[in-house]
Amino acid sequence: DTAVSQTPKYLVTQMGNDKSIKCEQNLGHDTMYWYKQDSKKFLKIMFSYNNKELIINETVPNRFSPKSPDKAHLNLHINSLELGDSAVYFCASSQGEGEAFFGQGTRLTVV
Amino acid sequence: GESVGLHLPTLSVQEGDNSIINCAYSNSASDYFIWYKQESGKGPQFIIDIRSNMDKRQGQRVTVLLNKTVKHLSLQIAATQPGDSAVYFCAESWTGRRALTFGSGTRLQVQP
Repeated sequence: DTAVSQTPKYLVTQMGNDKSIKCEQNLGHDTMYWYKQDSKKFLKIMFSYNNKELIINETVPNRFSPKSPDKAHLNLHINSLELGDSAVYFCASSQGEGEAFFGQGTRLTVV
Repeated sequence: GESVGLHLPTLSVQEGDNSIINCAYSNSASDYFIWYKQESGKGPQFIIDIRSNMDKRQGQRVTVLLNKTVKHLSLQIAATQPGDSAVYFCAESWTGRRALTFGSGTRLQVQP
C-alpha cells in the first residue's frame, strides 16, 4: 500500500496551460503539504494544510491554488504555467508536527 | 536521467567506512530536527529525528548529533553500504510551525 501517492508522476505541458496534481494519503494524518524541489535539489515548503485548513502559504504566486476536499487529499492546481514552474513537486503528510512522509514526486516540465 | 544536483556538495567514502554528513541550521527557535535520504527519482525518506532536549539519538547504523550551541547537526552512518548512496537532507522545525525547513543537501557516494 502506498502511503502518500501523487499523480501524475510526469507532466509535460506548454506555457500558459493550467494543470493539476493530485495527492492522497492513507495514513490517517491530519496535516498535508506541498513542497517544491528546484533544479539544485533545494526543497521548499509551498503550502501546509491541517484538517483541510490552510495554515502555511510560503509566498507562493496565486497562480498556485491548493484544494483539500478532505483530510486525505490535497490537490494542487496551477494556472497559466510559466517556464520557472518547472520543478519536482512533492506532496507529504504528517500527524501533527512529527515526521513527514513524502510521495514519489511529480516532475513538471513547462515548455 | 536527472541533471539536477550537480552543485551539491559530495561526500565520497569507501564501502565499510563510516560517513559523517554535517548540517548547519540558523533558527535558534528550532526544536525539532530530522534527516532524510533521497534516492534518484524518489521522494525523501525519513531516516532519524531528534528533539532539542536531546543531543544524541541512535538508530540502526545511524546516529544523529545535535549541538545547539553552534547550531550544528550531523548524521553518522556506520559501515556505509552502496545502498546508502543518495542525497541526504537535514531539516528543522519549531513548535507551532507545521512545515519543515530543509538544508541544501549532501550527496553521498559509496565506492565499492
